[in-house]
Amino acid sequence: AQRVTQPEKLLSVFKGAPVELKCNYSYSGSPELFWYVQYSRQRLQLLLRHISRESIKGFTADLNKGETSFHLKKPFAQEEDSAMYYCALTKAAGNKLTFGGGTRVLVKP
Amino acid sequence: GAVVSQHPSRVICKSGTSVKIECRSLDFQATTMFWYRQFPKKSLMLMATSNEGSKATYEQGVEKDKFLINHASLTLSTLTVTSAHPEDSSFYICSASDRYAEAFFGQGTRLTVV
Repeated sequence: AQRVTQPEKLLSVFKGAPVELKCNYSYSGSPELFWYVQYSRQRLQLLLRHISRESIKGFTADLNKGETSFHLKKPFAQEEDSAMYYCALTKAAGNKLTFGGGTRVLVKP
Repeated sequence: GAVVSQHPSRVICKSGTSVKIECRSLDFQATTMFWYRQFPKKSLMLMATSNEGSKATYEQGVEKDKFLINHASLTLSTLTVTSAHPEDSSFYICSASDRYAEAFFGQGTRLTVV
């Protein structure tokens, strides 16, 4: 069975500090991994996907198949990064997503 | 990006009544849509996969007779909560993938059963 684990429910950092959100997964094949973000009073939206290998809003995430991890990082957090972040996986793009429990990020001034 | 619209965004109904939630892809066609449920301070749990022109595929533990899904066109899927009870109160979210296989989410529907 596929499973996504986000061990931190809340991360509180100061503006300008680095932030790392952990995500571990279990899946028997080669899944596609995503990070979704939900800002206050807004809908869930895609932040980045591992196949793109791009940086969005300063965030990057590297897929580590050996450790089955897909941690999200940003070297200098901004106040506007305060949001709920969900790690998710799917067996193939366009298919159903399995979400982690979510991590709330609070960036303090 | 593409837009997925849910309606209503908020609904209160009496116990025992049925409630219909609509999910529309506004500028793209979606042969498959997904319905999720989110409990307070919890993650999204997939309820079912809505397939255009055929029966929905329900996840284990989801009552198909309680949560009726109809995907009558390539831009519309509906979720009907039948004979609603207070324990059905939740936040329901739909999603659809565009031709680039990126998932777009509706704004969600908060259902309160009193």
